[in-house]
Amino acid sequence: DAGVTQSPTHLIKTRGQQVTLRCSPKSGHDTVSWYQQALGQGPQFIFQYYEEEERQRGNFPDRFSGHQFPNYSSELNVNALLLGDSALYLCASSPGPHYEQYFGPGTRLTVT
Amino acid sequence: GENVEQHPSTLSVQEGDSAVIKCTYSDSASNYFPWYKQELGKGPQLIIDIRSNVGEKKDQRIAVTLNKTAKHFSLHITETQPEDSAVYFCAAEINNDMRFGAGTRLTVKP
Repeated sequence: DAGVTQSPTHLIKTRGQQVTLRCSPKSGHDTVSWYQQALGQGPQFIFQYYEEEERQRGNFPDRFSGHQFPNYSSELNVNALLLGDSALYLCASSPGPHYEQYFGPGTRLTVT
Repeated sequence: GENVEQHPSTLSVQEGDSAVIKCTYSDSASNYFPWYKQELGKGPQLIIDIRSNVGEKKDQRIAVTLNKTAKHFSLHITETQPEDSAVYFCAAEINNDMRFGAGTRLTVKP
């Protein structure tokens, strides 16, 4: 049984560019949450997707957007990248909005 | 702002000793409190969780206690082993989103 998978593992972007990160949830899970983890800090909640809709959002600007597909996989898009967007982006899946979350390995984004 | 405070930020114990990590939260409506272990280069791994209708939960060497009145919860690891060395995060579901503490770096010396 595959766990949560994320792609790519690493990527480097230039300030002002746009990036798309991808997540496939654990089998049987229909809810996906995205987090940003800066170095040495705990994960910060970005948003959660359930039934292909954003159901909850953290304190992140509109430059951060997402999508959930009918197969429950999800994308995180970040526009107009800033140096401060450099972080580990984590995806977590759960068998419902208020159930235990299981994290993927993350995507390390570096903005130069 | 920060809604979950975690202490200590670093903890060093001798193999076989116990380790305790404590967290406090601000929203009395919170009802779900997971703990995660994160090893270098990996995503957080759920190790134990507790809901507000119970005060304590155990899983082998790991236990979590919850005091809803005081709004704090703790992770207890007994008989620590070198492979327990990692960063541990507490979290609380607040206003339908998950808020994490800043983490505790646990080092278990052989």
